[in-house]
Amino acid sequence: GAGVSQTPSNKVTEKGKYVELRCDPISGHTALYWYRQSLGQGPEFLIYFQGTGAADDSGLPNDRFFAVRPEGSVSTLKIQRTERGDSAVYLCASSRSGRSGADTQYFGPGTRLTVL
Amino acid sequence: LAKTTQPISMDSYEGQEVNITCSHNNIATNDYITWYQQFPSQGPRFIIQGYKTKVTNEVASLFIPADRKSSTLSLPRVSLSDTAVYYCLVGDPWGGSARQLTFGSGTQLTVLP
Repeated sequence: GAGVSQTPSNKVTEKGKYVELRCDPISGHTALYWYRQSLGQGPEFLIYFQGTGAADDSGLPNDRFFAVRPEGSVSTLKIQRTERGDSAVYLCASSRSGRSGADTQYFGPGTRLTVL
Repeated sequence: LAKTTQPISMDSYEGQEVNITCSHNNIATNDYITWYQQFPSQGPRFIIQGYKTKVTNEVASLFIPADRKSSTLSLPRVSLSDTAVYYCLVGDPWGGSARQLTFGSGTQLTVLP
């Protein structure tokens, strides 16, 4: 079956601009996660959705970052007033329920964001 | 938070067994241990998961001692295509904080011919 997909695969923007990154999770997965990965580092948790609601957004670095999942499937990560330090690969993952530590996350290929 | 510690890098030769150990001294009762593999320009890929003792699947084994303060990923007879970064992840997003779901820096495994 189809895995997690993310669009665009690459995004280049200028400092100060607004960007949206999209994630299509595996069909039927209720839990969705966003991570950010800088070069040479492991993924860093940003936000976790259970259905339509953000169950934990404690990883968002500041109020320029926001994510939505209005219908409990597709999610959009929104970054306002981008800064050069926002440059990274943004990963999305989904899992069946997120209601257990045994719930496996399936990752998308990521969106590489470059802020000039 | 169940912080994890892994070796930064390991080298091996084709056909050898590779064991990568992860320390997680503060693991909580409901936490599971999951290992992921990541190739350049790809998202992490699930390898194996366990709670205690030993788990084996078609690609790897996971050994977890009784105190669960560490775990060892065992890759039998590695090939060049196993060259990747390996992460252990410890947490329970539902019972605890999803922020626990932060990967460490991982272990860069390089398989040599």
